[in-house]
Amino acid sequence: DGGITQSPKYLFRKEGQNVTLSCEQNLNHDAMYWYRQDPGQGLRLIYYSQIVNDFQKGDIAEGYSVSREKKESFPLTVTSAQKNPTAFYLCASSARLAGGAFQETQYFGPGTRLLVL
Amino acid sequence: EDQVTQSPEALRLQEGESSSLNCSYTVSGLRGLFWYRQDPGKGPEFLFTLYSAGEEKEKERLKATLTKKESFLHITAPKPEDSATYLCAVRSSGNTPLVFGKGTRLSVIA
Repeated sequence: DGGITQSPKYLFRKEGQNVTLSCEQNLNHDAMYWYRQDPGQGLRLIYYSQIVNDFQKGDIAEGYSVSREKKESFPLTVTSAQKNPTAFYLCASSARLAGGAFQETQYFGPGTRLLVL
Repeated sequence: EDQVTQSPEALRLQEGESSSLNCSYTVSGLRGLFWYRQDPGKGPEFLFTLYSAGEEKEKERLKATLTKKESFLHITAPKPEDSATYLCAVRSSGNTPLVFGKGTRLSVIA
């Protein structure tokens, strides 16, 4: 059963704490993405990775960090530098076409809701 | 800079009352326009991809159309289960991630 899994579903962060959100996919997709969703704001890109051991900053990367050590996994760490982390976090992936271009369609996981205590 | 604007922000319909959602975009070379459906507390679900002006795609009560400046998602005789937020996104030329609009929140009342 192919798809994207995110864990945990809910995550609580104490002030000054770093927390890591998990994203795993078994679709054999090369590209993976992290978005943040706030009410009325739509989806905003945090980081994306086109290939293992490489990633690029999106529009709102400050206060976040990522790694891409395996094709299947793209964890996101919300650091203590992110002062307003409360949001719904979505991971997505897409395949790579012959010639190196992305398959256009991005598929999403179920999301993780991060709350601050 | 690529931009996507969706209207209206929210739409309330009676069951069976057809209507349309709008997605206006500005991109430097459109490589695809995407529609997603998102239920509360869940990840977006892919609906359609449109590539060129004049293209149309249908799925059940939904029909997506594309012009050079905007896309419409037409909902024919909606049912309460069509209630969701509908997201529009574009990909411009090059290997760039999707750029999303803020969505239209649709409520269909029985």
